[in-house]
Amino acid sequence: DIVMTQTPLSSPVTLGQPASISCRSSQSLVHSDGNTYLSWLQQRPGQPPRLLIYKISNRFSGVPDRFSGSGAGTDFTLKISRVEAEDVGVYYCTQATQLPWTFGQGTKVEIK
Amino acid sequence: EVQLVESGGGLVKPGGSLRLSCAASGFTFSDAWMTWVRQAPGKGLEWVGRVITKTGGGTAEYAAPVKGRFTISRDDSKNTLYLQMNTLKTEDTAVYYCVAGVGFTPLDYWGQGALVTVSS
Repeated sequence: DIVMTQTPLSSPVTLGQPASISCRSSQSLVHSDGNTYLSWLQQRPGQPPRLLIYKISNRFSGVPDRFSGSGAGTDFTLKISRVEAEDVGVYYCTQATQLPWTFGQGTKVEIK
Repeated sequence: EVQLVESGGGLVKPGGSLRLSCAASGFTFSDAWMTWVRQAPGKGLEWVGRVITKTGGGTAEYAAPVKGRFTISRDDSKNTLYLQMNTLKTEDTAVYYCVAGVGFTPLDYWGQGALVTVSS
C-alpha cells in the first residue's frame, strides 16, 4: 500500500498569515495514464470532508484562490496564502493512483 | 446541486449485519465512480471500497480490513449506492461517508455520513 505522510500534524497560524502542509508518498503517484491522482481535502469541525485540490494543483469548484497545490512524483504541498477563520480544520492529502486509495494522517490548522 | 444522503446507520452487536444506503441526486449517477470512506471517532479517513460504472465493468474493490465481509453495490435505476456490512466488529465503528467521483477525481463530492456503532 502507498503510505502518505503529512507534516506538520498541527499548524497554529496567525490570521492573515500563510500556512503550508507537506505530503510525501512512499511511491511515485504518477499513474500509467500520465496523471498524478493526488488530492487535498478539508474537513471543518463537525463537517464531512470536501475536495479542495485535485491532480496536484487544480482547485475544485468554489474553492478560494488562496488555496494552491504543487509538487510532483512523491512530494506535494498545499499552501494557504492568507489564513482566514473559516480555514480552521483538518487537511488530508489522498492518492487515487493505486488501490487501495490511501490518506495522510491529517494536519490540524488552528488559529494562534 | 449534487446531494448524497446516507441512511441505515445505527447500533449493532458484534457479528451482526447492517446495510447502508446512499441516495444520490444532481449528477448522472450511472456515470459516476462511487466510493465508501469511513472515519472512526476522533481518527482520520480510511478508504473502504469503491465500485466503478456498469459500462466500465461495474467491479468493486475493497480495503483489506473489510474484504470478504462488506459488499458494495449500486442500483443505477434508483440512483442509489449500498454498503452491505456483515460479521461486524467493534473496530468497524465509524462514520461512513458516501463519495461520488463525477469526473474530476474519484472523491469529488461527499455525503454527510452515517454513524455505525458496533457494540455489545
